[in-house]
Amino acid sequence: NAGVMQNPRHLVRRRGQEARLRCSPMKGHSHVYWYRQLPEEGLKFMVYLQKENIIDESGMPKERFSAEFPKEGPSILRIQQVVRGDSAAYFCASSQAVDTGELFFGEGSRLTVL
Amino acid sequence: GENVEQHPSTLSVQEGDSAVIKCTYSDSASNYFPWYKQELGKRPQLIIDIRSNVGEKKDQRIAVTLNKTAKHFSLHITETQPEDSAVYFCAASMWSNYQLIWGAGTKLIIKP
Repeated sequence: NAGVMQNPRHLVRRRGQEARLRCSPMKGHSHVYWYRQLPEEGLKFMVYLQKENIIDESGMPKERFSAEFPKEGPSILRIQQVVRGDSAAYFCASSQAVDTGELFFGEGSRLTVL
Repeated sequence: GENVEQHPSTLSVQEGDSAVIKCTYSDSASNYFPWYKQELGKRPQLIIDIRSNVGEKKDQRIAVTLNKTAKHFSLHITETQPEDSAVYFCAASMWSNYQLIWGAGTKLIIKP
């Protein structure tokens, strides 16, 4: 079992460009969560998705950020027109069910905006 | 809504000593309390969790205690080792993973 796979691990973008972060959940997991982590800070929930559905996006900024989890393929977190404040580590996690239980995290994607 | 406070933000202990990290939560309906460990530059990983129907849970050198009346729970690490150095996060939730509210983290430093 390969675990949660995220790519790219590191991404550098200039202000105004787009960033696309991908997450493949663990095999058999249909629940995906995206978190943002600023340096020296905790995890901030962004969005929760099931296959083809956004269930809760209350933690995601309404502008420039979007997420999807298509029927086939990885979940994608998309940040348009990036700004310096978007620089952070973005972690994806997956679980087998939405009930409380272990979240399996990926290694994260570290976005740097120049 | 739920709020989780975690203390201390940094904890430095001598190798071999014990470490205790405390979290308080505000919503008495919360019933699931996990602890995650994040080593530098790595992914967070679950190390132990507890549900509100028990007061304590142990796994080798790690234990978690829960006081529902006072609404706080604590992580205890005994006989600390260098590999325990990491950031530890507590969290609380009522019924779902996506409703987990996270503490700000405690950086644990083990001094040789």
